[in-house]
Amino acid sequence: DIQMTQSPSSLSASVGDRVTITCQASQDITRYLNWYQQKPGKAPKLLIYDASSLDTGVPSRFSGSRSGTDFTFTISSMQPEDFATYYCQQYGNLPLTFGGGTKVDIK
Amino acid sequence: QLQLQESGPGLMKPAETLSLTCTVSGGAVRSTTYYWGWIRQPPGKGLEWIGSIYYDGSTYYSPSLKSRLTMSVDTSKNQFSLRMRSVTAADTAVYYCTRQTLRWGSERWGQGTLITVSS
Repeated sequence: DIQMTQSPSSLSASVGDRVTITCQASQDITRYLNWYQQKPGKAPKLLIYDASSLDTGVPSRFSGSRSGTDFTFTISSMQPEDFATYYCQQYGNLPLTFGGGTKVDIK
Repeated sequence: QLQLQESGPGLMKPAETLSLTCTVSGGAVRSTTYYWGWIRQPPGKGLEWIGSIYYDGSTYYSPSLKSRLTMSVDTSKNQFSLRMRSVTAADTAVYYCTRQTLRWGSERWGQGTLITVSS
């Protein structure tokens, strides 16, 4: 199975901050990575697919990039509604696997 | 607007068989452009892919769960289902049904159903 190492596991930020989360794949998955946002008690929401493509209706302050097996998720300017937990998920190979999650809370 | 709704027993005893059904509305499970998947999340923990099914019945299972799983699709009822045998406390989780793109992105989710396994 492909292991996804996501960091940090948690971070604190203020409204307006730039936030960056990384995921490292244990082997090459090309660009086959999704990013999700999950709020407490709710189902996850797909934000980014193919490492850098925004899903329909997702604000442009969210972005993703790839360098080899390292993937970066960025929120350019935190908004109050962005405090949540974020997960990466690879689909380079089955089984689909997720990173451990990053909880972003208010500083 | 596509909606997915899970239904299941809620509370189970160890060694029982879990049966979950996802009812799809606002879209057809008989679609060539989507998979239909199950993902679970133990309380306070991360996400785990269980498996996915295509409208023609092709299945893709997590190797760690494969020996206990059966997934099926009923296009006449616009539903897909999951059966997991011999559950233990480790199977306690919120179970989500999802619509997945052919790129395996879960772009629509049900609200989730909590399954608790306890003696």
